[in-house]
Amino acid sequence: DQQVKQNSPSLSVQEGRISILNCDYTNSMFDYFLWYKKYPAEGPTFLISISSIKDKNEDGRFTVFLNKSAKHLSLHIVPSQPGDSAVYFCAASAPGANSKLTFGKGITLSVRP
Amino acid sequence: DAGITQSPRHKVTETGTPVTLRCHQTENHRYMYWYRQDPGHGLRLIHYSYGVKDTDKGEVSDGYSVSRSKTEDFLLTLESATSSQTSVYFCAISESIQGIPGELFFGEGSRLTVL
Repeated sequence: DQQVKQNSPSLSVQEGRISILNCDYTNSMFDYFLWYKKYPAEGPTFLISISSIKDKNEDGRFTVFLNKSAKHLSLHIVPSQPGDSAVYFCAASAPGANSKLTFGKGITLSVRP
Repeated sequence: DAGITQSPRHKVTETGTPVTLRCHQTENHRYMYWYRQDPGHGLRLIHYSYGVKDTDKGEVSDGYSVSRSKTEDFLLTLESATSSQTSVYFCAISESIQGIPGELFFGEGSRLTVL
């Protein structure tokens, strides 16, 4: 049973517009959430994170929103750039989990020039 | 960039043969992980280590074993490779701070093909 779900496998947006990537989770014990970005033939790289005590975290063009009651988080990229084209993974961790992360399947974002 | 080196980066082998993938870090991080990435499955944890000689299973550990005899090295072994183990394998490291999970730093991946 998948505990972190990224139900949309792909997203295409125009350069300069907003990209919204969604993620749902089922495990109510998760209290820390992260987004990773992956280019082809490279390892994933950390993008942004949020603790369950917050509902928003912002870092430059990237903002993550957390809705605990809905068990939903989203990553907003504004404005989107062609270099943002990559696979984005949502991940979550529970307390005392030795930093183990559970990842979603990923969303492929394509930003059109 | 975090100092993580995976070897080999590419390997083709035959069903039934043993395979060992190596992960080497220069960051002195406590935690080390092996993930596999497959289409339609994302990243799935195979095994992880929380210290020298301390390891535990992840969600897809069947058919894999690991060893960590030194802080800097984490080995993943497929005792008898099967075609279902064809995948891209990623090593990752992290360091928790006061119980807060730190970000994972990933290696560049090892592509394994089992014929």
